Amino acid sequence: DAGVTQSPTHLIKTRGQQVTLRCSPKSGHDTVSWYQQALGQGPQFIFQYYEEEERQRGNFPDRFSGHQFPNYSSELNVNALLLGDSALYLCASSLDRTRNEQYFGPGTRLTVT
Amino acid sequence: GNSVTQMEGPVTLSEEAFLTINCTYTATGYPSLFWYVQYPGEGLQLLLKATKADDKGSNKGFEATYRKETTSFHLEKGSVQVSDSAVYFCALLSSGGSYIPTFGRGTSLIVHP
Repeated sequence: DAGVTQSPTHLIKTRGQQVTLRCSPKSGHDTVSWYQQALGQGPQFIFQYYEEEERQRGNFPDRFSGHQFPNYSSELNVNALLLGDSALYLCASSLDRTRNEQYFGPGTRLTVT
Repeated sequence: GNSVTQMEGPVTLSEEAFLTINCTYTATGYPSLFWYVQYPGEGLQLLLKATKADDKGSNKGFEATYRKETTSFHLEKGSVQVSDSAVYFCALLSSGGSYIPTFGRGTSLIVHP
């Protein structure tokens, strides 16, 4: 049984560009959450998707948006990239949105130059 | 708001030493508490959890007890191994209806042979 997968593994972008990160949840999981983890910090919650809708959102600007597809996979989009967006972006899936027994993917390392 | 405070790292120990990583929290209601571990280059893995006061979570020789009176969830292990070297994150999920998890900043553990 495959766990949570994310693509790409690494990404380098220039300020002002846009980026799309992808996540496939663990089999049977219908809830996907996205986190930003800056170097030396804990994960910061960006948003959570359930039934193809954004259900919860953390303190992130509208430049951060997402989508969930009928097969529960998800995308994170970031527009107008800033240097401060450089971080490890983690996707986590869970059986339902009331549980934090989340399974994390290996992350996508985004570098903005 | 909710918050999690972990002891500053790195924690450096010799193999077979006793480990304690302190974690205290501030939350409304009765949160669930978690410890996650992150090995170099990987995403977070759930290590153990406790969902109510006085519960003890345990896994792979690690344990932590949910202490409501001291709002703490300290991680302990009786005899650490070199392979335990990683970053450990304490986290909570509030019971107040918002399913946004809060993570601590992480504590790096380095175990020497």
